[in-house]
Amino acid sequence: GNSVTQMEGPVTLSEEAFLTINCTYTATGYPSLFWYVQYPGEGLQLLLKATKADDKGSNKGFEATYRKETTSFHLEKGSVQVSDSAVYFCALRTWVTGNQFYFGTGTSLTVIP
Amino acid sequence: NAGVTQTPKFQVLKTGQSMTLQCAQDMNHNSMYWYRQDPGMGLRLIYYSASEGTTDKGEVPNGYNVSRLNKREFSLRLESAAPSQTSVYFCASFQGAVGSYEQYFGPGTRLTVT
Repeated sequence: GNSVTQMEGPVTLSEEAFLTINCTYTATGYPSLFWYVQYPGEGLQLLLKATKADDKGSNKGFEATYRKETTSFHLEKGSVQVSDSAVYFCALRTWVTGNQFYFGTGTSLTVIP
Repeated sequence: NAGVTQTPKFQVLKTGQSMTLQCAQDMNHNSMYWYRQDPGMGLRLIYYSASEGTTDKGEVPNGYNVSRLNKREFSLRLESAAPSQTSVYFCASFQGAVGSYEQYFGPGTRLTVT
C-alpha cells in the first residue's frame, strides 16, 4: 500500500539551530515526494518536491533528497528562523494511485528567539 | 487568481443539524478533494473528485456526501452533524495533467459540533 511516516513532534528549536524532520514512505509504483508547510490559521502550501531518485528539492533554505534505497525524504534546514514555526507535512503521489495524495501526520515546529 | 476558496471560515452546529461546505477553484483544475484535519491524525481524505462528473470515497467518508457541481465547485454536505465531525476541513485541487505535481489548498473551515 501507500503510506508516509513522519517523526513525531512537537519539535522546539532555538533560532539558528539545525533542523531535521524525518520522513519515510512505502509506495505502490514510483512516487513523487513532497513537503508541505502549514502556517498557523492557514491551509497547506507546497514547500518543495522531488520527482525521481536522487533529486534534491529546495526552497526558502529547506532541502530534501529523494533516497530510493532507504525510502526516505528527510527535510533539513541549516539555520531556522522564528518565521519557520509551522506544521510540516511529508506527502507522496504515484501514477498508480492516480490523483490521490498520501500525507504523513505532520510535525509541528516551534522556533524560539 | 483567488486559487481555492472555501466558505464559511467558521461554523458552529448543534448535533443533528445539517450544513454544506462550499469550495471553488479558479485554476481550471480537474481534480478536487475534501480533507479533515484533527490533532495527531494529520490530513485524512474524506472524498475526492478525479474529474468533473466523478466522485470517490476516501479514507473517512461516513457521515458525508459530496457534489461536484461543475469543474470549479465541489461541495461537502453533513446531513446530520455529530460531535465526532468537529474538525478543520480543507478543500484542495490538482491539475491532474502530465507534468503537474502541486495540490493547492484552501484556507480551511473550522467546524464545531456541540
